[in-house]
Amino acid sequence: KAGVTQTPRYLIKTRGQQVTLSCSPISGHRSVSWYQQTPGQGLQFLFEYFSETQRNKGNFPGRFSGRQFSNSRSEMNVSTLELGDSALYLCASSPIGTVSGNTIYFGEGSWLTVV
Amino acid sequence: AQSVTQLGSHVSVSEGALVLLRCNYSSSVPPYLFWYVQYPNQGLQLLLKYTSAATLVKGINGFEAEFKKSETSFHLTKPSAHMSDAAEYFCAVSGNRDTGRRALTFGSGTRLQVQP
Repeated sequence: KAGVTQTPRYLIKTRGQQVTLSCSPISGHRSVSWYQQTPGQGLQFLFEYFSETQRNKGNFPGRFSGRQFSNSRSEMNVSTLELGDSALYLCASSPIGTVSGNTIYFGEGSWLTVV
Repeated sequence: AQSVTQLGSHVSVSEGALVLLRCNYSSSVPPYLFWYVQYPNQGLQLLLKYTSAATLVKGINGFEAEFKKSETSFHLTKPSAHMSDAAEYFCAVSGNRDTGRRALTFGSGTRLQVQP
């Protein structure tokens, strides 16, 4: 079974630009969540989607948004990039989410560098 | 609010020695607890999880962790370290049906170094 796939793996953007990251969950998984990992703040939850609906959102500004499609694939978008948005963005999928202790499976992440 | 504290940002052990990575959680109700490992330039891989079935949880690669409610701890151990265990380890907590909290809250991580 293929794992969580994230594209692109690496990208460099200029401050003020916007970026879209893509995530394909494990087949059959309906929940997709996104996390940001930085050296200073560690791993922080961005948002979770289930059946195309955002179920939970972390404490990030409105520049961070996401969506989920009917095939469970998800995208996240960051507008008006700032230098501090440089991070590893991790996508994770699970059959129904973490509320019942189900395991969530992480992709290898998208490395975003803002210059 | 739930939180996780990992004591020791860096731990160094000799190959063959005991590995002990500490994790304490804060939660008003028994949570679900997880240990993940991250190798360089990779995502997170689940080592083991506690979901209230058994207090001693065995995971992959010889790791295990014991849930101690009285100490609010979930320390990760491995009897004998291997060079391939060198990585960063994250403890995480999520809610249960009572709290309805779906997201994982991670600790700050512990980088394990294994000396030959």
